[in-house]
Amino acid sequence: GAGVSQSPSNKVTEKGKDVELRCDPISGHTALYWYRQSLGQGLEFLIYFQGNSAPDKSGLPSDRFSAERTGGSVSTLTIQRTQQEDSAVYLCASSLVGASGSGETQYFGPGTRLLVL
Amino acid sequence: SQQGEEDPQALSIQEGENATMNCSYKTSINNLQWYRQNSGRGLVHLILIRSNEREKHSGRLRVTLDTSKKSSSLLITASRAADTASYFCATDGGSSYKLIFGSGTRLLVRP
Repeated sequence: GAGVSQSPSNKVTEKGKDVELRCDPISGHTALYWYRQSLGQGLEFLIYFQGNSAPDKSGLPSDRFSAERTGGSVSTLTIQRTQQEDSAVYLCASSLVGASGSGETQYFGPGTRLLVL
Repeated sequence: SQQGEEDPQALSIQEGENATMNCSYKTSINNLQWYRQNSGRGLVHLILIRSNEREKHSGRLRVTLDTSKKSSSLLITASRAADTASYFCATDGGSSYKLIFGSGTRLLVRP
């Protein structure tokens, strides 16, 4: 079956503009995660969705960042009034249930490379 | 902020040699995972080791975990040029779902 897909692959925008990044998780996965990876760095957790539960937004760096997940499937990460420091690769992942500390594998999409000029 | 530190930051070896990467973390964990990333894109899950395990094997991969030292190592034996990638450790930080990644080791395997 298809893996996690993300669009666009690359996005170049001007400082101050809003951007929307899309993630299509693996069908049947109830847990969805967004991470950010700055150049040469590891991944930084942004937000987590699990089923109908309230999302964990604790990793969002500012109120310019928001995300939603419609119908328990597709998710959109929105960055308002983009800044140059927002430039990074934004990675989405999904997993089957996202719970229990049992070490569930997260399956990652190819990422969206965002460049803010 | 990142929990883990990995060393070395970069490693260059000859094909056929073994590659060892180390990861240290700060908080208690339920498990530790290793991921591989090619060309700064999506990550691929390699192996998971639980906090009550000390060593785990998968093909040419061997992972060890020392919870007393809060450290793990990934050994790739008989390396191939195709193993060239960045390798990241990730812990759950004691939570059930959030992964906390190290800064990664960039491995170059020279043919």
